[in-house]
Amino acid sequence: SQQGEEDPQALSIQEGENATMNCSYKTSINNLQWYRQNSGRGLVHLILIRSNEREKHSGRLRVTLDTSKKSSSLLITASRAADTASYFCATVPTGGGADGLTFGKGTHLIIQP
Amino acid sequence: NAGVMQNPRHLVRRRGQEARLRCSPVKGHSHVYWYRQLPEEGLKFMVYLQKENIIDESGMPKERFSAEFPKEGPSILRIQQVVRGDSAAYFCASSQQGASEAFFGQGTRLTVV
Repeated sequence: SQQGEEDPQALSIQEGENATMNCSYKTSINNLQWYRQNSGRGLVHLILIRSNEREKHSGRLRVTLDTSKKSSSLLITASRAADTASYFCATVPTGGGADGLTFGKGTHLIIQP
Repeated sequence: NAGVMQNPRHLVRRRGQEARLRCSPVKGHSHVYWYRQLPEEGLKFMVYLQKENIIDESGMPKERFSAEFPKEGPSILRIQQVVRGDSAAYFCASSQQGASEAFFGQGTRLTVV
């Protein structure tokens, strides 16, 4: 099975609301990363959380990591129309990045103005 | 401070032709990853390279696909005798170390007609 399964697959909310996306993975990780992809564009790195960290903030982004449940969540507060994009979580396995980053299929977030 | 540069951005090939995709990593980065993104799907790891070495090619189809990252010059993903199913977006990423943040290029969109 694939590492980094995002949930939900699609999410539509009103501007100003908070958006929460979840990611589950299967094996031990060194770190977990969240990326954003605007339609037709490359990926942009948002935030990296290491396996010994539980929570991390960056601007309007808040990421949590629960290694016992092998899950992570990305919260975007006070959403804006410009946040409309696909969001991917990616994991780096314990022992290094020999497999590169393993991505899920992503959550497509739509912010309604 | 250029980021990851991929070219061409768009590539159209007829069935049976060869496709060569180029990726210039961030200056100073010695780790390169290639990913494929099929329409409506997440990214799939293909290959992980360091300068002059293939570290992991477990995601690469056994036939027709090859990758290299020479001592000088860009990394090349080569697809021989392309078929319609090869149509996808191919993303390259680079990092300083295997487990650190990866920077992505804008991708090359390959269309096989």
